[in-house]
Amino acid sequence: QKEVEQDPGPLSVPEGAIVSLNCTYSNSAFQYFMWYRQYSRKGPELLMYTYSSGNKEDGRFTAQVDKSSKYISLFIRDSQPSDSATYLCAMRLNPGSARQLTFGSGTQLTVLP
Amino acid sequence: DTAVSQTPKYLVTQMGNDKSIKCEQNLGHDTMYWYKQDSKKFLKIMFSYNNKELIINETVPNRFSPKSPDKAHLNLHINSLELGDSAVYFCASSSRLALRVEQYFGPGTRLTVT
Repeated sequence: QKEVEQDPGPLSVPEGAIVSLNCTYSNSAFQYFMWYRQYSRKGPELLMYTYSSGNKEDGRFTAQVDKSSKYISLFIRDSQPSDSATYLCAMRLNPGSARQLTFGSGTQLTVLP
Repeated sequence: DTAVSQTPKYLVTQMGNDKSIKCEQNLGHDTMYWYKQDSKKFLKIMFSYNNKELIINETVPNRFSPKSPDKAHLNLHINSLELGDSAVYFCASSSRLALRVEQYFGPGTRLTVT
């Protein structure tokens, strides 16, 4: 079993829809949770990160972490065709360590005009 | 003003050859990484350097050897390339100071071994 599980999709939604992307994980020691967006043939770019449980909002994006369920989500409101990309969740242990990020396998999202 | 840059962007080579990929960051970060992304988009850590010191060395064949001449550069040399090495290789950087957790990725090097 992978440490981080993510539904690979593909996921297609009409423009304006609310998108929900999710990851589950098995290591309860993860403390930092990130979402990266990767456009085709580009490097991942950091969208949001949250520490421990809770919500964080940034414009049309909301990240949620539920540590008790080992479940994280990214919501995209009023989705746009420019949101079409692969979304990768990532997690890491405490920031003082040199541990790498552990990634989900990514969900491919297409927003149709 | 690119933050993390990699060269080359594309690399096509034959089995058995030796090749290198270079990475540079101008963010002032002290930690750099190499990740491998397979055809299914799964990103897996290979190596990490902090202040030129190797701190993460995941289960990677000995044919892969990272080198960090200074904090801003991390190169990846691959000997005796095999078909299974075909993937996209990403360099990333972060700062352990100020307890920042974000990693910033380069554009990737698409390696094709024929």
